[in-house]
Amino acid sequence: AQSVTQLDSQVPVFEEAPVELRCNYSSSVSVYLFWYVQYPNQGLQLLLKYLSGSTLVESINGFEAEFNKSQTSFHLRKPSVHISDTAEYFCAVADSGGYQKVTFGIGTKLQVIP
Amino acid sequence: DAGITQSPRYKITETGRQVTLMCHQTWSHSYMFWYRQDLGHGLRLIYYSAAADITDKGEVPDGYVVSRSKTENFPLTLESATRSQTSVYFCASRDTSSGNTIYFGEGSWLTVV
Repeated sequence: AQSVTQLDSQVPVFEEAPVELRCNYSSSVSVYLFWYVQYPNQGLQLLLKYLSGSTLVESINGFEAEFNKSQTSFHLRKPSVHISDTAEYFCAVADSGGYQKVTFGIGTKLQVIP
Repeated sequence: DAGITQSPRYKITETGRQVTLMCHQTWSHSYMFWYRQDLGHGLRLIYYSAAADITDKGEVPDGYVVSRSKTENFPLTLESATRSQTSVYFCASRDTSSGNTIYFGEGSWLTVV
């Protein structure tokens, strides 16, 4: 069975400061990893994903995440946050073979303070 | 527009009533899912479908029924609504050609009184 742990339920950060949202996973097989973002009263949107290759993946709005196999982590980072980044962020893991069941973390609320 | 549409977006119903949440996708993705989102639990899978006429239970299927007669539609029915089913429900589909990225609908807010 696979699982995802998001270590922080809420992260307050001042505008233009850096942020890291932590995600650890467990799985007995190779995985795909995802970060989704959810703005208020909306569905989840894919932010970035790791499938294979370079362990550092980036999104179009300045977020990046690094797959660390030895630490089974996929932390999300941004060097300088904006008010518009205020949202809930979900880490997800999927087996890379078979049914490829996707498991979501419980989410981290990022609150950017002006 | 292409994507996943859910209806109704907001619904209030009474305990014991049957409620159906509709989901329609325009991509022809084989896999479709229903999740519920609750504070402190994140997203939990209710049911999923691998193709038309193929459905299976997820983590929390009790009290729900699904069907999939056509690839593009995946309705979720609460046969006899209970207060514990008050939640936000998300329909999703998976693009198996793109690393199994899951795409979500906008959600259906259901309140059972």
